Amino acid sequence: ILNVEQSPQSLHVQEGDSTNFTCSFPSSNFYALHWYRWETAKSPEALFVMTLNGDEKKKGRISATLNTKEGYSYLYIKGSQPEDSATYLCASPYSGGGADGLTFGKGTHLIIQP
Amino acid sequence: GAGVSQSPRYKVAKRGQDVALRCDPISGHVSLFWYQQALGQGPEFLTYFQNEAQLDKSGLPSDRFFAERPEGSVSTLKIQRTQQEDSAVYLCASSAKVGTVYGNEQYFGPGTRLTVT
Repeated sequence: ILNVEQSPQSLHVQEGDSTNFTCSFPSSNFYALHWYRWETAKSPEALFVMTLNGDEKKKGRISATLNTKEGYSYLYIKGSQPEDSATYLCASPYSGGGADGLTFGKGTHLIIQP
Repeated sequence: GAGVSQSPRYKVAKRGQDVALRCDPISGHVSLFWYQQALGQGPEFLTYFQNEAQLDKSGLPSDRFFAERPEGSVSTLKIQRTQQEDSAVYLCASSAKVGTVYGNEQYFGPGTRLTVT
């Protein structure tokens, strides 16, 4: 069983401020770490897939880092905008009989206040 | 091209009814996954198809849940004799490659929100 934890559960941030949140996962048997953004009534949107220790990825104002040795990933949002309001999910594959699904955390619900 | 689509988007069922949820993956995608997201939880894996073969159904919560993908494209998740605890968002995802171990990206549909009354 793979435990993926996210913190905080929810976050209110003032527009223009920067913020970050955490995903932790078991460091043994690591394969990959996925970040998704899920806006209400829309499909979860893939942000990053990270596989290597020390990976840093960036998409616009959003970036992520990965530490596989200690089992955590950070997601950073610089200069938050109202359209960043969403639930951010991280997930990692687990090995289940050779066919793999993703194990998700419960998500961080981000609200950007104008 | 078109993304993953799911239908219906919302379904209300009375306890004991059977429901069928449809997923249209991205054309040509080999892998198809179903997940269940209960309120306040992250999505939880239900089952995985590689083309038409159901290779992993370890996440299906009971024998009332059944999934198929007979021609290796469209998939249907069927829930028989629905119970209140089946109320959740059911997400479908597809991937161009096999499995997810090596970081293959999954593309999600918008989900079907099932409410059992």
